[in-house]
Amino acid sequence: AQSVTQPDIHITVSEGASLELRCNYSYGATPYLFWYVQSPGQGLQLLLKYFSGDTLVQGIKGFEAEFKRSQSSFNLRKPSVHWSDAAEYFCAVLNRDDKIIFGKGTRLHILP
Amino acid sequence: EAQVTQNPRYLITVTGKKLTVTCSQNMNHEYMSWYRQDPGLGLRQIYYSMNVEVTDKGDVPEGYKVSRKEKRNFPLILESPSPNQTSLYFCASSLAGSWQPQHFGDGTRLSIL
Repeated sequence: AQSVTQPDIHITVSEGASLELRCNYSYGATPYLFWYVQSPGQGLQLLLKYFSGDTLVQGIKGFEAEFKRSQSSFNLRKPSVHWSDAAEYFCAVLNRDDKIIFGKGTRLHILP
Repeated sequence: EAQVTQNPRYLITVTGKKLTVTCSQNMNHEYMSWYRQDPGLGLRQIYYSMNVEVTDKGDVPEGYKVSRKEKRNFPLILESPSPNQTSLYFCASSLAGSWQPQHFGDGTRLSIL
């Protein structure tokens, strides 16, 4: 069955530092992959998605993600985080039945 | 303003008392979905609807019902709520399916005593 693993439950980085959030997926064919962000008290917002083509995907708020088939990964990156990036981040994959499967999330904490 | 609106935002109720959480979207989206979010489990899909009168089960449909009589509304019904349905619930919509960007409501926190 298709699945998504986010190995890190919590990540803490200093403001201005770079960020990488890990996501590994299990899927036989070329996956449809997503990153969503959830700010406190709010619903999820799509940051970026990958369907095909260029493996480096640009998203909103200065985020990017790179699809690596050989590693079954779709890690999210940002060169310099801001305090407002503190949130929970969810990686997701679309399964064979066109249902979206979310990872368990990574909560990002920002140190001033 | 494009939005997905859920009501109520918070509800505390007792076991067995039927309740409905409403969801409405103003973007003329075909696809709507309900999720529940629990600590350590992420989001899990309860039900989804590809269009009016078309609904299907997600991963955790037990104990829930939905209906899609109009395109804009997709209520979630708990006929006989139980404590294990205490959770944070999100409604979402997209233009045509889950492969497209989903717009989420702000969530409904349900506590079943």
